[in-house]
Amino acid sequence: EIVLTQSPATLSLSPGEGATLSCRASQSVDTYLSWYQHRPGQAPRLLIYDASNRARGIPARFSGSGSGTDFTLTISSLQPEDFGVYYCQQRDSWPPLTFGGGTKVEIK
Amino acid sequence: QVLLVESGGGEVQTGRSLRLSCVASGFPFKTYGIHWVRRAPDKGLQWITFISHDGGRRDYADSVKGRFTISRDNSKNTVYLQMNTLRREDTAVYYCAKDHDDGSGELDYWGQGTRVTVSS
Repeated sequence: EIVLTQSPATLSLSPGEGATLSCRASQSVDTYLSWYQHRPGQAPRLLIYDASNRARGIPARFSGSGSGTDFTLTISSLQPEDFGVYYCQQRDSWPPLTFGGGTKVEIK
Repeated sequence: QVLLVESGGGEVQTGRSLRLSCVASGFPFKTYGIHWVRRAPDKGLQWITFISHDGGRRDYADSVKGRFTISRDNSKNTVYLQMNTLRREDTAVYYCAKDHDDGSGELDYWGQGTRVTVSS
């Protein structure tokens, strides 16, 4: 099973600031990595697929990069609606699909 | 507009059973695979099962294998999750999610979830 480790666990930021979230895989997942946003009480939402492709309707302030074992999600300028928990997930080798433990982005 | 709506959650005692439903609309349901993912309190997302477009492929996480069964009825645009021998650690919000294809492992649309509480 591929283990994904996200860091940091929590990011405390103000609106307008940039955010950098990291995800490290226990073995290479090529570029088969997705990022999801989960806000309380809402459905999780796909942000990035295949490491760097924005999903339909996702604003350009969200970008993804990386390959192999190290990945980054960048939010260029945080908006109030961006606060929540972000998860990475690999689909290179499954079952099982695996998720990272999440990074909580909170308002400072 | 793609829509997934889960139902069937509730509070149940350990060892009992529950069946969740996921009704889909807004896309050609019989063409796509569907997953179930859960989020336990104060924990992250955990994938638990997948069913292919025709039910020919079904995958399970080790934690639910032998206890949970996924199925689908394409005439009703519905996927089911039969959960037997429930444990306290099965307490979570359960989400169904559409696969981008039919086994890609990319979850492009999700429902809002249904809460399951297992108590002794």
